[in-house]
Amino acid sequence: DQQVKQNSPSLSVQEGRISILNCDYTNSMFDYFLWYKKYPAEGPTFLISISSIKDKNEDGRFTVFLNKSAKHLSLHIVPSQPGDSAVYFCAATTIGDYKLSFGAGTTVTVRA
Amino acid sequence: DVKVTQSSRYLVKRTGEKVFLECVQDMDHENMFWYRQDPGLGLRLIYFSYDVKMKEKGDIPEGYSVSREKKERFSLILESASTNQTSMYLCASSWTGINQPQHFGDGTRLSIL
Repeated sequence: DQQVKQNSPSLSVQEGRISILNCDYTNSMFDYFLWYKKYPAEGPTFLISISSIKDKNEDGRFTVFLNKSAKHLSLHIVPSQPGDSAVYFCAATTIGDYKLSFGAGTTVTVRA
Repeated sequence: DVKVTQSSRYLVKRTGEKVFLECVQDMDHENMFWYRQDPGLGLRLIYFSYDVKMKEKGDIPEGYSVSREKKERFSLILESASTNQTSMYLCASSWTGINQPQHFGDGTRLSIL
């Protein structure tokens, strides 16, 4: 039973526009959330994270928003660039735990 | 820069064979992990290790075992391979500490015929 869900398997966006990726979780014990990015034939790479004491974390073009009451987080990419075309995984854990629970991933395609 | 190296990119084995997947990291990380990635299911944790000779089961350990004799090396073993173990296998490592990100290898695409 997946505790982290990414309900949109794919997203297509025009270059320069905003990409919004969504993620929902069911385990109320989760208090730390991460996004990973994966190119074909490569392993996932860490992108950005947020702890439950915050509702927003920003790093350059990437911003993650957390809504604890809704058990929902989102990743915004602004502006989207062709190099952002990849699979994005949402992951969640409890602070101090080594284990991550991953979502199924969202494939982002940025159109020129 | 962290380097996690998986010994094979592609592997084809037969049902019933004993299969070894090897992973080496060069950053002296305490923690190492094995995941499998399947379409629609994301990454699922098979086993992890927080120290040499220490291991803990993840979410889907059945049919697998692991070995960590040296800090830099973490091996995944399929005791008797079955077709439902055909998958992409990913190794990762991380520092011990609050929420250290995991660094992944490029994966091994394993096919069991």
